[in-house]
Amino acid sequence: QSVLTQPPSVSGAPGQRVTISCTGTSSNIGAGYDVHWYQQLPGTAPKLLIYRNTNRPSGVSDRFSGSRSGTSASLAITGLQAEDEADYYCQSFDNSLGASEFFGTGTKVTVL
Amino acid sequence: QLRESGPGLAHPSETLSLTCTVSGDSISTIGEYYWTWIRQPPGKGLEWIGYVSYTRGATYNPSLRSRVTLSIDASKNQFSLILSSVTAADSAVYYCAKGWGDGKGTYFDPWGQGTLVTVSS
Repeated sequence: QSVLTQPPSVSGAPGQRVTISCTGTSSNIGAGYDVHWYQQLPGTAPKLLIYRNTNRPSGVSDRFSGSRSGTSASLAITGLQAEDEADYYCQSFDNSLGASEFFGTGTKVTVL
Repeated sequence: QLRESGPGLAHPSETLSLTCTVSGDSISTIGEYYWTWIRQPPGKGLEWIGYVSYTRGATYNPSLRSRVTLSIDASKNQFSLILSSVTAADSAVYYCAKGWGDGKGTYFDPWGQGTLVTVSS
């Protein structure tokens, strides 16, 4: 199981703004470890979307933004487009139980 | 670019061996890079297996540590995964990726295309 919890699904109409939460604990996000986000389009490998909480790699649309506060982090997608329909995962480090990198449970974004 | 290779089928209790070939980058470049393996069972989420650094050695997911070995072959610009005593629960798409960071909160970019491994008799 994962120590990072995401909603199984979120949906929105084209042009809308949606947010995906990533809820952790005091041994991961709350301990100050960075959060990263990945987008996985159907049938493809995950792609880095946001790194170190708020940074976008070159080539990633500015419609995607990340934030972190306390024991949680969020990914926001503005101006939702059909091409954004994908699975999204957060990722961070957890210093309990042997210490490990963890991915969130994943969120399916559906464009209505 | 990273590309995984290995058998698509493994039998229960056997040892699985996968290789990731790195192109356009040097696996022995000075810097804190973490050559990483991640897997994804069909229809499920991502699981970090572990990473190996040219300078710091390997770090493993505690849940897999007793069965996993990661290594680097700098002469071939490759890194490898060995997973022993496989069961059906190890059936997954296995991805290799380049990790950036300090080993705590490392992020992964780029990823290979993935290779599907099925464990079945």
